[in-house]
Amino acid sequence: NAGVTQTPKFRILKIGQSMTLQCAQDMNHNYMYWYRQDPGMGLKLIYYSVGAGITDKGEVPNGYNVSRSTTEDFPLRLELAAPSQTSVYFCASRRGGTNEQYFGPGTRLTVT
Amino acid sequence: DQQVKQNSPSLSVQEGRISILNCDYTNSMFDYFLWYKKYPAEGPTFLISISSIKDKNEDGRFTVFLNKSAKHLSLHIVPSQPGDSAVYFCAASANNAGNMLTFGGGTRLMVKP
Repeated sequence: NAGVTQTPKFRILKIGQSMTLQCAQDMNHNYMYWYRQDPGMGLKLIYYSVGAGITDKGEVPNGYNVSRSTTEDFPLRLELAAPSQTSVYFCASRRGGTNEQYFGPGTRLTVT
Repeated sequence: DQQVKQNSPSLSVQEGRISILNCDYTNSMFDYFLWYKKYPAEGPTFLISISSIKDKNEDGRFTVFLNKSAKHLSLHIVPSQPGDSAVYFCAASANNAGNMLTFGGGTRLMVKP
């Protein structure tokens, strides 16, 4: 199993550009999550999904969108990048009935 | 309002000694607690967890203690090894809130040879 994979590893965006951060898991987990981690801070939940076709907002959803058309994939979309979105983004997944989330390696995004 | 706090941003310990990482929480609805370990340029990896019905859970060199009345948990690493040097995050979840994880800010542990 590859676990949770994320692409790209790094990206630099100009203000106002858009991009999609990709996340995939091969563990057949129903639950998937997107977090951001700012320097020296903990992880904050952006969006989550409890299954294909179902998504909901987390703590810091503004400026982001998600979709979940399959169990495996959970892409995160930034429509109009802003410097405040400079961060490291982590995707995670979890099997139903458990609490442990499994994380991808992260995408480091810089918006200038 | 931070519901999960790790008040020590960093901790330095000599190899072979005990490392104690602390975590405090404010939400009395939290009923499951986890510790994650994170190396630079990698995602967090699950380390150990504890349910609120227990006050201690051990896994090899790692032990987590939970004091519900004080809303405090701690992670003990004995003996500490240089490979344990990483950032440790405490996280909490509530069964009635969909098991979402709320993370603390992390503690950077440095184990000196």
